[in-house]
Amino acid sequence: AQSVTQPDIHITVSEGASLELRCNYSYGATPYLFWYVQSPGQGLQLLLKYFSGDTLVQGIKGFEAEFKRSQSSFNLRKPSVHWSDAAEYFCAVGARNQGGKLIFGQGTELSVKP
Amino acid sequence: DGGITQSPKYLFRKEGQNVTLSCEQNLNHDAMYWYRQDPGQGLRLIYYSQIVNDFQKGDIAEGYSVSREKKESFPLTVTSAQKNPTAFYLCASSIGFQALWDEQFFGPGTRLTVL
Repeated sequence: AQSVTQPDIHITVSEGASLELRCNYSYGATPYLFWYVQSPGQGLQLLLKYFSGDTLVQGIKGFEAEFKRSQSSFNLRKPSVHWSDAAEYFCAVGARNQGGKLIFGQGTELSVKP
Repeated sequence: DGGITQSPKYLFRKEGQNVTLSCEQNLNHDAMYWYRQDPGQGLRLIYYSQIVNDFQKGDIAEGYSVSREKKESFPLTVTSAQKNPTAFYLCASSIGFQALWDEQFFGPGTRLTVL
C-alpha cells in the first residue's frame, strides 16, 4: 500500500540551530515528492518539490530536501532555524498518471525555542 | 491575483443540518480536491475532480457530496450523515491531467464546528 511516514510528531529546536525533518515513503511508481508548510489555521504553502534530476532540491525560506531512492526518503533540512519557522510541516508523494492525487504524511509540528 | 478562495473561514451549524462549503479558483486549473484535516491525522482526501462534470470519491467520502458544474467552483456539502463533521476543511487545485507532473495549491481553509 502507498504510504508516507513522518516519524516525528513534534520537534523542538533552538533558534539558530539546524533542522532535519524526516519523511519516508512507500510507493510503487516513480514518485513526485513535496514538502508543504502550514501555519495555524491557514492553508498549506509549498516549500519545495522533487520531480526528477538533481536529488538535492532547494526551496523557499532557505529550506532544502534530498531525495534518496535507496532509502525511500525525502528529508527536509534548514541550516539555521528562525522563530518564524514554527509551523506544521507535511511531506506528500504523488506519481504521474495518478490524477494529481497526493498522499500526505501525518505532519511534524515544529516549535522553536528562543 | 490568482488563487483559491474558501468561504466562510469559520462556520457553525447545528447537528443534523446539511452545510455547503465554498471553494473557488481563478488559476484555470482542471483538477480540484477537498481534504479534511483533524489534529494528528494529516490530510485525508474526501473528493476530487479532474474535469468539469466529473468527480471521484477519495478515502473518506461517506457523509459528503460535491458538484463540479463550473471549472472554477467545487463546493462541498457536509450532510447530516457525516458522523463527526467538526474539522478543518481544505480545498486545493492543480493543473490536472494535462500536466506531466502536478502540484497542488491550497486555499486558506474553512473550520466547521457542529454544535
